[in-house]
Amino acid sequence: SQELEQSPQSLIVQEGKNLTINCTSSKTLYGLYWYKQKYGEGLIFLMMLQKGGEEKSHEKITAKLDEKKQQSSLHITASQPSHAGIYLCGADWNQKLVFGQGTRLTINP
Amino acid sequence: EPEVTQTPSHQVTQMGQEVILRCVPISNHLYFYWYRQILGQKVEFLVSFYNNEISEKSEIFDDQFSVERPDGSNFTLKIRSTKLEDSAMYFCASIPDRPRTYEQYFGPGTRLTVT
Repeated sequence: SQELEQSPQSLIVQEGKNLTINCTSSKTLYGLYWYKQKYGEGLIFLMMLQKGGEEKSHEKITAKLDEKKQQSSLHITASQPSHAGIYLCGADWNQKLVFGQGTRLTINP
Repeated sequence: EPEVTQTPSHQVTQMGQEVILRCVPISNHLYFYWYRQILGQKVEFLVSFYNNEISEKSEIFDDQFSVERPDGSNFTLKIRSTKLEDSAMYFCASIPDRPRTYEQYFGPGTRLTVT
């Protein structure tokens, strides 16, 4: 089956600390998306990765896709309260997005 | 910046009633999608739509569901006879074209509550 596994499922970090969220697939990823969601709200597009080894950054968030295109990581540097939320990875498979279960990030002051 | 819009933001309905969820995709986009998310669960694909017909649908998208593009701007999801388990957030999304991979932007969602 086409599934994405995210780890960890939840993460609590102190404000100012760095953190990494992982997204792993058993199949090759031809398009990997990262979204952020506040609980019960909409999906905010963060980044899309397509090429093996690709890395993109936006403000303090960096996403990478490994060379084999089966794993992606999202790294947040110097976390802030505004980074709190649920981070979702989604894979573009056969004309649709398949999502991971999400990682709930809590930032403690 | 162009965005996907959805109405209503929240819909409460009684079991067995029909509901229509509305979406306005980004104007030059050609592929449209509906996804749903039951509270606390994964975002799940429902259906994709291109050139006025369904491209693909999931197992969730049974005969109670239908989609339509009634005019040049709206894209609708109809649930004919709602069930309690249809309570979820429903998201619309659109992309310019296939087969290239594009940034897929989602609307803010409609929260459907079936009582």
